Amino acid sequence: TQTVSQSDAHVTVFEGDSVELRCNYSYGGSIYLSWYIQHHGHGLQFLLKYYSGNPVVQGVNGFEAEFSKSDSSFHLRKASVHWSDSAVYFCAVSANTGYQNFYFGKGTSLTVIP
Amino acid sequence: GGIITQTPKFLIGQEGQKLTLKCQQNFNHDTMYWYRQDSGKGLRLIYYSITENDLQKGDLSEGYDASREKKSSFSLTVTSAQKNEMAVFLCASSIRAYEQYFGPGTRLTVL
Repeated sequence: TQTVSQSDAHVTVFEGDSVELRCNYSYGGSIYLSWYIQHHGHGLQFLLKYYSGNPVVQGVNGFEAEFSKSDSSFHLRKASVHWSDSAVYFCAVSANTGYQNFYFGKGTSLTVIP
Repeated sequence: GGIITQTPKFLIGQEGQKLTLKCQQNFNHDTMYWYRQDSGKGLRLIYYSITENDLQKGDLSEGYDASREKKSSFSLTVTSAQKNEMAVFLCASSIRAYEQYFGPGTRLTVL
């Protein structure tokens, strides 16, 4: 059974702070790991993905994520957040076999105080 | 670029009623998905379709039917709406194994 765990339901920081949103996964095959952002009242938008190679991947708007095989983790980070980064962030796992079947975490709601 | 359109944006129904949600995409993507999003539970896959007239059940398919009569459209039917049911239904499409494009959602309320 594939699982995606986001341990923090809510994170609150001040504008200009750094932030790390955590994601751990359990999957027994070749996978893609990705992060999505959902602003209130909208659908999800793709931020970044990892499949192989450099474990640190860059996304849009200054976000990056780091893959760790030993920890089964794919944490999302940003060095200096802006109030517009307030949103819900979802970690996802998808298989690299056949047709896509995605598994999403429950999401982390990030609030950035101006 | 492209867009995914979901109609209606808000759907209010009565208990036991059959309700249909529609989704259109102009990305020309082969694969389309329906998810249910409940507060605090993330996204759960209801149905997906890898091509026109194909349907694959997800983990939450009971109580739902789906239809993919054209490549660009994917409909979801709630076969018998449950009282106090409230959720957002998200449609998505994809061409790559890691990247999905989502619509804005349909918010369902059952009275």
